[in-house]
Amino acid sequence: QQPVQSPQAVILREGEDAVINCSSSKALYSVHWYRQKHGEAPVFLMILLKGGEQKGHEKISASFNEKKQQSSLYLTASQLSYSGTYFCGTEYGSSNTGKLIFGQGTTLQVKP
Amino acid sequence: GAVVSQHPSRVICKSGTSVKIECRSLDFQATTMFWYRQFPKQSLMLMATSNEGSKATYEQGVEKDKFLINHASLTLSTLTVTSAHPEDSSFYICSARDVRTRGGYTFGSGTRLTVV
Repeated sequence: QQPVQSPQAVILREGEDAVINCSSSKALYSVHWYRQKHGEAPVFLMILLKGGEQKGHEKISASFNEKKQQSSLYLTASQLSYSGTYFCGTEYGSSNTGKLIFGQGTTLQVKP
Repeated sequence: GAVVSQHPSRVICKSGTSVKIECRSLDFQATTMFWYRQFPKQSLMLMATSNEGSKATYEQGVEKDKFLINHASLTLSTLTVTSAHPEDSSFYICSARDVRTRGGYTFGSGTRLTVV
């Protein structure tokens, strides 16, 4: 079952912050976040495992709330290069299967 | 980091012909690779799991006789679209993971298939 991402689209000015959410109705094993630019392959950002954790990568961080089966991606002080479509990919069950089910995507546009 | 190479990047074929797409892990071995399909402005849909030395596992609704997958070595998986039709036109992407790291799955650069 496909996870639900929100919002569907975001428009920001450089330097502004954004939060993208990914929710599942099924128990998650892991959540993977990717960014895809038009015509290109998705690029891995980070992975979060069940047990509830938070990770950071420069100005991009994410959290995983196991109780809510939800992950959030935080983009702070956004840069023009952050523009693209963000996907969360989820693994279900109790182990690492590698089979990622992706959300519908969130389009982020950062303007000067 | 892990690198996955995919070829060709673009292919145009006539309806009824077959097209082969290659996916290679360049600096690591991958016993498992994954094939996705992405239609314009849509999400990535998992098609099948490619297993080295054994049969691929297909997701529900994906025709295994139409999308032939071969994983003959630890670094190469191929997807052959047989008897292609215009509705098969899409962006096909493979992914794999270097299990030596704790990173995510690396995607190939994708193949844009257009069937005319």
